[in-house]
Amino acid sequence: AQTVTQSQPEMSVQEAETVTLSCTYDTSESDYYLFWYKQPPSRQMILVIRQEAYKQQNATENRFSVNFQKAAKSFSLKISDSQLGDAAMYFCAYCTDSGAGSYQLTFGKGTKLSVIP
Amino acid sequence: DTAVSQTPKYLVTQMGNDKSIKCEQNLGHDTMYWYKQDSKKFLKIMFSYNNKELIINETVPNRFSPKSPDKAHLNLHINSLELGDSAVYFCASNRGAFRGAQYFGPGTRLLVL
Repeated sequence: AQTVTQSQPEMSVQEAETVTLSCTYDTSESDYYLFWYKQPPSRQMILVIRQEAYKQQNATENRFSVNFQKAAKSFSLKISDSQLGDAAMYFCAYCTDSGAGSYQLTFGKGTKLSVIP
Repeated sequence: DTAVSQTPKYLVTQMGNDKSIKCEQNLGHDTMYWYKQDSKKFLKIMFSYNNKELIINETVPNRFSPKSPDKAHLNLHINSLELGDSAVYFCASNRGAFRGAQYFGPGTRLLVL
């Protein structure tokens, strides 16, 4: 079974600074996807960024970027120019195709990010 | 113009009762899901449906029964509620073309007393 590990239960960052959240996963498959989701206090799950395992290029979405190391099974999230609105729980998720258009997400336990003004 | 909606947002009920949570998506997605988030914020998939067909059926008590009347709706019915069922339940959906990216509803917080 796939497992996703987020080793940092909590982190903090100064506003406008950069922070990196870690994620490792365990799998024997070669075709999969990886995601970062954000859950602010409103509890809404928001998709932050997506990476396909076959792509070597790291995904980027505005201030969010990932460092995907397939051999090391590592998928970290970098947030640049942190803003107060970035404060949230961040979940790393591993995704596989279950067939018939269905995809199974396996989540890590999350990292709670605080942003200090 | 909510993409994935759930009703109710909060549900407080007594042990032993039966309750349902409704989910609707207006994104035209093919597949819908139910997830459970426990008190430690851990999220785990429960079910998925594609075009009204059950695809993913994780190990959950058979007191939980999903029902998909059409592609845009996936409801979760829970019989004989137990204290341990207290959690936040999320509905999600995705389109196959986006290969895995799922869009979540706002969640339903269920509290069983």
